[in-house]
Amino acid sequence: QVQLQESGPGLVKPSETLSLTCTVSGGSISSYYWSWIRQPPGKGLEWIGYIYYSGSTNYNPSLKSRVTISVDTSKNQFSLKLSSVTAADTAVYYCAILGGKADYWGQGTLVTVSS
Amino acid sequence: QSALTQPASVSGSPGQSITISCTGTSSDVGSYNLVSWYQQHPGKAPKLMIYEGSKRPSGVSNRFSGSKSGNTASLTISGLQAEDEADYYCCSYAGSSTLHVVFGGGTKLTVL
Repeated sequence: QVQLQESGPGLVKPSETLSLTCTVSGGSISSYYWSWIRQPPGKGLEWIGYIYYSGSTNYNPSLKSRVTISVDTSKNQFSLKLSSVTAADTAVYYCAILGGKADYWGQGTLVTVSS
Repeated sequence: QSALTQPASVSGSPGQSITISCTGTSSDVGSYNLVSWYQQHPGKAPKLMIYEGSKRPSGVSNRFSGSKSGNTASLTISGLQAEDEADYYCCSYAGSSTLHVVFGGGTKLTVL
């Protein structure tokens, strides 16, 4: 059973870069498309982007200029960087596989943007 | 890309059936038979209930069913139970050349 776990700072200052890592266990990262999704408090889900193990990426056009997703297959991890954050980026961030029947999510981690 | 359109809320009594709609465009819902539906309880990660429009993952009750007509996908829950009260989100791929992912705005289901 594939399991995903997000990790990273829970508090980020405005204008700085948010950095999160997703560690995958119970399966190889050398398959599937690995996504980041976020959910502001009390609001809906927003897809941020995904990466394939080969390194090819696809980002939400509304966030593309600020997002970088990378993968480290040796550590079975993939990462999210979101630059120039504002209070609007405060959200629960999930890493996930959105692969039809193969659908797995981390528990989510709350990141607050505040000085 | 725009979010898929869902009703903000629906409600039903135990034992009844309800349907949640998810309206997109010919570039997303209408183009792909890849709509998924998620159930989310407060403080929890979303749980897959339907994938590829109408397929149920192992362990999901057959009270949950999915369908699609044109640019609109639908989730039907029959025999409503108290534990069905949750937020529901649809999800689809979008775009012809680059496959983005788009979610619906979410629907709050209240079991009366």
